[in-house]
Amino acid sequence: GAGVSQSPRYKVAKRGQDVALRCDPISGHVSLFWYQQALGQGPEFLTYFQNEAQLDKSGLPSDRFFAERPEGSVSTLKIQRTQQEDSAVYLCASGPKSSYNEQFFGPGTRLTVL
Amino acid sequence: AQTVTQSQPEMSVQEAETVTLSCTYDTSENNYYLFWYKQPPSRQMILVIRQEAYKQQNATENRFSVNFQKAAKSFSLKISDSQLGDTAMYFCAFMKHEDYGGATNKLIFGTGTLLAVQP
Repeated sequence: GAGVSQSPRYKVAKRGQDVALRCDPISGHVSLFWYQQALGQGPEFLTYFQNEAQLDKSGLPSDRFFAERPEGSVSTLKIQRTQQEDSAVYLCASGPKSSYNEQFFGPGTRLTVL
Repeated sequence: AQTVTQSQPEMSVQEAETVTLSCTYDTSENNYYLFWYKQPPSRQMILVIRQEAYKQQNATENRFSVNFQKAAKSFSLKISDSQLGDTAMYFCAFMKHEDYGGATNKLIFGTGTLLAVQP
């Protein structure tokens, strides 16, 4: 079946602009994660959803970052008033309820803030 | 807090040879999972191998195997018969084992090892 998809794959924003990044998880997956991967680094956890409930947002770096998953499927990560330090690849991962330790990753969205 | 350390930023191996990537971690937890993920240049992260901490037997997946030393908090990845398609960034990752319904089960990653397989 189809894997996790993310759009857009690349996004260039001017400093101060708002951006929205989309994640389509694998159909039926309960868990959805967002990670931020800075250049040359490993991914870092941002936030976690179980169905439509955002159970953990401890990794969001500031109140400019907001994530939602209103119907328990597609998720959107929104960054307001983007800053240069927000430049990174944003990875989405989903996981089936049957196995809490499995996460399947999307290709990521590379955000560049000028 | 848990940390994962990969001390080899880059490694190189000849095709068909064997290479070992190192990973150490720090945790006070007793139940957890350890993973090796592969991230090719296309950037799609792919699971290579997984180890449950309560299992003493080292996990193997075809040409990939791990050496899990729980007391030493070490989790190395051995790739046998290296192939050109193994060229990628490899990440070691830790996940705390929590099986209650609202558990986050987030992955904590190391900084990665860039492996280049030479023809």
